[in-house]
Amino acid sequence: GQQVMQIPQYQHVQEGEDFTTYCNSSTTLSNIQWYKQRPGGHPVFLIQLVKSGEVKKQKRLTFQFGEAKKNSSLHITATQTTDVGTYFCAGYNTDKLIFGTGTRLQVFP
Amino acid sequence: DAEITQSPRHKITETGRQVTLACHQTWNHNNMFWYRQDLGHGLRLIHYSYGVQDTNKGEVSDGYSVSRSNTEDLPLTLESAASSQTSVYFCASSRRNSYNEQFFGPGTRLTVL
Repeated sequence: GQQVMQIPQYQHVQEGEDFTTYCNSSTTLSNIQWYKQRPGGHPVFLIQLVKSGEVKKQKRLTFQFGEAKKNSSLHITATQTTDVGTYFCAGYNTDKLIFGTGTRLQVFP
Repeated sequence: DAEITQSPRHKITETGRQVTLACHQTWNHNNMFWYRQDLGHGLRLIHYSYGVQDTNKGEVSDGYSVSRSNTEDLPLTLESAASSQTSVYFCASSRRNSYNEQFFGPGTRLTVL
């Protein structure tokens, strides 16, 4: 079946450093969504990308959708302690949303 | 405010028992989903529903069942709980168009002894 992998699995950074997580699908995706889950919390929707090569920004967060619509990335500039959590990508294949394995981000002050 | 709730938030049960986890949403969303979250596996889809009387199997449906008798509720039943079903369970909902964002409940932590 379809797989959506994310790397790295874990990332520890010093506050102020940048962070990037990569998402790769075994099949072409209709669109891609990103979610954030704080420790002990539930996933919360961040953004959706639909077009090939699309780039969207939310303050310090930059999201990209690959040209082939099989990969995506999330980049955080100058991390803050509030960025701590697990970031999931999720892609639609036909009618089902398939979640990636997630990247857990820890930020040290 | 509209919301999605799950109950109980924590549950400890014994192997072989039947367990039902409740999910209730007031968004009036047609689509509802159940996921389980385990370390190293992310979120895996158990069952989903696109409307009343509609239910579909997801990636890891064995040992689980759902029913959708109204728009607001999608209870998840573990017919005979197994230790492998120890996990955190999340319910989610979304508007009719399947490409819409999903809104997640707070989760239920289930332990099967």
